[in-house]
Amino acid sequence: QSVLTQPPSASGTPGQRVTISCSGSRSNIGINFVYWYQHLPGTAPRLLIYRDTQRPSGVPDRFSGSKSGTSASLAISGLRSEDEADYYCAAWDDSLSGPVFGGGTKLTVL
Amino acid sequence: EVQLLESGGGLVKPGGSLRLSCAASGFPLRKYAMSWVRQAPGKGLEWVSAISGDGGTTYYTDSVKGRFTVSRDNSKNMLYLQMSSLRADDTATYYCGKGETSSSFPDSWGQGILVTVSA
Repeated sequence: QSVLTQPPSASGTPGQRVTISCSGSRSNIGINFVYWYQHLPGTAPRLLIYRDTQRPSGVPDRFSGSKSGTSASLAISGLRSEDEADYYCAAWDDSLSGPVFGGGTKLTVL
Repeated sequence: EVQLLESGGGLVKPGGSLRLSCAASGFPLRKYAMSWVRQAPGKGLEWVSAISGDGGTTYYTDSVKGRFTVSRDNSKNMLYLQMSSLRADDTATYYCGKGETSSSFPDSWGQGILVTVSA
């Protein structure tokens, strides 16, 4: 059971906008940056969002991150079939004195 | 271009040991924290260990404390994970990751290496 809670699944149709939530607490999201990763099992994970809202170069602006209080969200607009993957939030947890991942959300593009 | 290449995985019996290596290139390794993250079959990503750029600070998830040791040789551009007293639940694909500036959260990853612990 992760300290960061994500819905196990999400879905959308091509072109749609979907959001994936990540719920934490004051010891992690509440006071530390949130990171979002895209992962296809067996391949290298990909950093999508760092420091709550920043996009690395090469990541399309269809991906955006936001945070409010102890929760964060990843939004994907203009959904494409290639967005079908697992998505993970991550943050430092001061109580655990270490980094933690959310449980992951499997995104299906219908 | 940042490149990370893991090696050293394979099949090992319970109680055995294995050392994973991660060869880094395309960036000054000494300036970045590095991490090991794993994914067990059918499970999510799990942070295993992290180490600061100078090697002076390390982190281990509770389940590997006392069994795994992370180290680095900046002169050789190498990151290591020494794993001992391996258990079946250590079976996973292990990824090394380069921390983004001023953090241990990876912005680049290797392709991963499979470790299977089985009799």
